[in-house]
Amino acid sequence: DQQVKQNSPSLSVQEGRISILNCDYTNSMFDYFLWYKKYPAEGPTFLISISSIKDKNEDGRFTVFLNKSAKHLSLHIVPSQPGDSAVYFCAACCGGSQGNLIFGKGTKLSVKP
Amino acid sequence: GAVVSQHPSWVICKSGTSVKIECRSLDFQATTMFWYRQFPKQSLMLMATSNEGSKATYEQGVEKDKFLINHASLTLSTLTVTSAHPEDSSFYICSARDPDRGAYGYTFGSGTRLTVV
Repeated sequence: DQQVKQNSPSLSVQEGRISILNCDYTNSMFDYFLWYKKYPAEGPTFLISISSIKDKNEDGRFTVFLNKSAKHLSLHIVPSQPGDSAVYFCAACCGGSQGNLIFGKGTKLSVKP
Repeated sequence: GAVVSQHPSWVICKSGTSVKIECRSLDFQATTMFWYRQFPKQSLMLMATSNEGSKATYEQGVEKDKFLINHASLTLSTLTVTSAHPEDSSFYICSARDPDRGAYGYTFGSGTRLTVV
């Protein structure tokens, strides 16, 4: 049973427009959510995160929104740039567990010039 | 920032041999390290959690005798794939957790592409 779901395997966006990546989760005990960016044959790199006590966190072009009642979060990238093309993983953490991250399957973002 | 070094970045080995992958936290002490495996177009799947000085905790379905994990120091964890077979070919990634940074303290290695021929 997948606790973290990214239902869109891929997303294509024009440069300069907004990219919206979505993530759903089932475990209401999760208390931190993180987004990672991953290039092929490399490890994931941390992008942005949000605590469950907040509903929005912004860092430059990246904003993460959390809707706890819907168990849904989204990552907004605006404006999108070709260098943003990568696979984005949503991850959830903790909530009483020993602290390992639970990952979604990822969404491949392609930003076209 | 926190840096995790993982090597080798890629390795090709013959079926039946063993391969060791190292994961080092370079500028922090990681009491907990995690080993993930990623199949093509799939998510990162947690294989095991290792705590320094104690036995690793394996996820369901992961053979502990096949994937040996050693976390002998606060900066080094190793994963040894024993008697490797072609189905073990995959991308393996380690993660080290900086306990001083809470949930934000996960840093990933660059991954190891294992190909068993």
